[in-house]
Amino acid sequence: RKEVEQDPGPFNVPEGATVAFNCTYSNSASQSFFWYRQDCRKEPKLLMSVYSSGNEDGRFTAQLNRASQYISLLIRDSKLSDSATYLCVVISYNQGGKLIFGQGTELSVKP
Amino acid sequence: GAGVSQSPSNKVTEKGKDVELRCDPISGHTALYWYRQSLGQGLEFLIYFQGNSAPDKSGLPSDRFSAERTGGSVSTLTIQRTQQEDSAVYLCASSARAQETQYFGPGTRLLVL
Repeated sequence: RKEVEQDPGPFNVPEGATVAFNCTYSNSASQSFFWYRQDCRKEPKLLMSVYSSGNEDGRFTAQLNRASQYISLLIRDSKLSDSATYLCVVISYNQGGKLIFGQGTELSVKP
Repeated sequence: GAGVSQSPSNKVTEKGKDVELRCDPISGHTALYWYRQSLGQGLEFLIYFQGNSAPDKSGLPSDRFSAERTGGSVSTLTIQRTQQEDSAVYLCASSARAQETQYFGPGTRLLVL
């Protein structure tokens, strides 16, 4: 079993749709959580950190449930420019700060 | 300031040759990481440097892979006797300190023929 697992993709949605990505992690020592975005043939870029209290950045909302070891990302009013692969990422402090990536979920927003 | 830079952008080599990949982290960042992304695969951790501490090499797939970081700044990832399965994008990232936000370079696309 992978340490970080995400919904299989791809997600194909129309513009304006709301889309939710789910992610689970297996290492209870995981301490920090992130969503990264990766465009085709580009490097991953940090989208947002994820906190237990939940956090929102414009159309993006991230949630963390430590008890269930579950992370989510909600994108509202999706835009064509949101098309990318979304990577769920955790850091476990007992692993020295290295990022553990999920396999990514591809999102394609259509006109 | 400048972000993480990597060179070369692309590298084509023949099976059995050695290759060196370079990473220039963001100035002042003490932590430097190497990752690999193979076609259709996720990103996997290779090696991590933090300050003057011994590197965490736990992700290196074989003893053909090695890395060094000179002067706490530039890092070089070396792959000896390359194999076709080494073909991948090699990504470098740096952070101000361990467990802080990591910023990625554009990667080196390696193709082993």
